[in-house]
Amino acid sequence: NAGVTQTPKFRVLKTGQSMTLLCAQDMNHEYMYWYRQDPGMGLRLIHYSVGEGTTAKGEVPDGYNVSRLKKQNFLLGLESAAPSQTSVYFCASSDYRGDYGYTFGSGTRLTVV
Amino acid sequence: QQQVKQSPQSLIVQKGGISIINCAYENTAFDYFPWYQQFPGKGPALLIAIRPDVSEKKEGRFTISFNKSAKQFSLHIMDSQPGDSATYFCAASMVPQGGKLIFGQGTELSVKP
Repeated sequence: NAGVTQTPKFRVLKTGQSMTLLCAQDMNHEYMYWYRQDPGMGLRLIHYSVGEGTTAKGEVPDGYNVSRLKKQNFLLGLESAAPSQTSVYFCASSDYRGDYGYTFGSGTRLTVV
Repeated sequence: QQQVKQSPQSLIVQKGGISIINCAYENTAFDYFPWYQQFPGKGPALLIAIRPDVSEKKEGRFTISFNKSAKQFSLHIMDSQPGDSATYFCAASMVPQGGKLIFGQGTELSVKP
C-alpha cells in the first residue's frame, strides 16, 4: 500500500500565482487533513474533512481552499500565492478505530518568491 | 485554550541517556494525546499515544507519563540511540472535533554517540 501520496514534492511559485496540491490515500480513511509546518511553530491545521463532500476550516485557513469530491482525494488550493505561504505542507488521513492515529504524506515544500 | 505548549525546543543527549520532552495543555476536553516522530524530509509518524484514563503507557524504550490534574504529559526515551535523533511533536485532540490534532511546537532531539 502507498498510504498517503502528495504531489508535487517541490514547487516554486511567484507571488500571485495559483496552484493545487493533491493528496491521495488508499486506506479508505474517512478523515483527511491539511497542515502546514513552519520552524518553531509545529504543524498547524489549515482545513480538514470528515468525509466525502465535506470540508471545514482549521486554525489557519485564510488564503487556502479545499475540496473533497472523492473519498480518497483531498485537494488544497492557493488562489493567489503570497510569500507568507512559503512552508512545508503535509496531508494526513485517519479513521477512528479507538484512536486517531494519523498517516502523513511525505510533504510538499512550497516556496513563494 | 486550544494550544499545546512543548518544551524544550531542542535537546542534546548522550547515547544511552534518557531524553525527556514535556507538553502542557489548557483544554480539559482533550481526550487523546499522541506523540509523533519526524525524520528530515519525511512526514511525521505516530510513535505512541495515551488516553487520560491512564497515567503511563510504555512501548519498548518509549514511555508517556500523563498528569491529568496538572494538564501535562511527557515523553521519555530510555537508552537513547543516535537513530532516535529526530523532531518529536506532542499533540492533543477531542472526539467531537473530527479527530483533528492540535500539535505542539516540536523538539529537535540529537543523540550524540
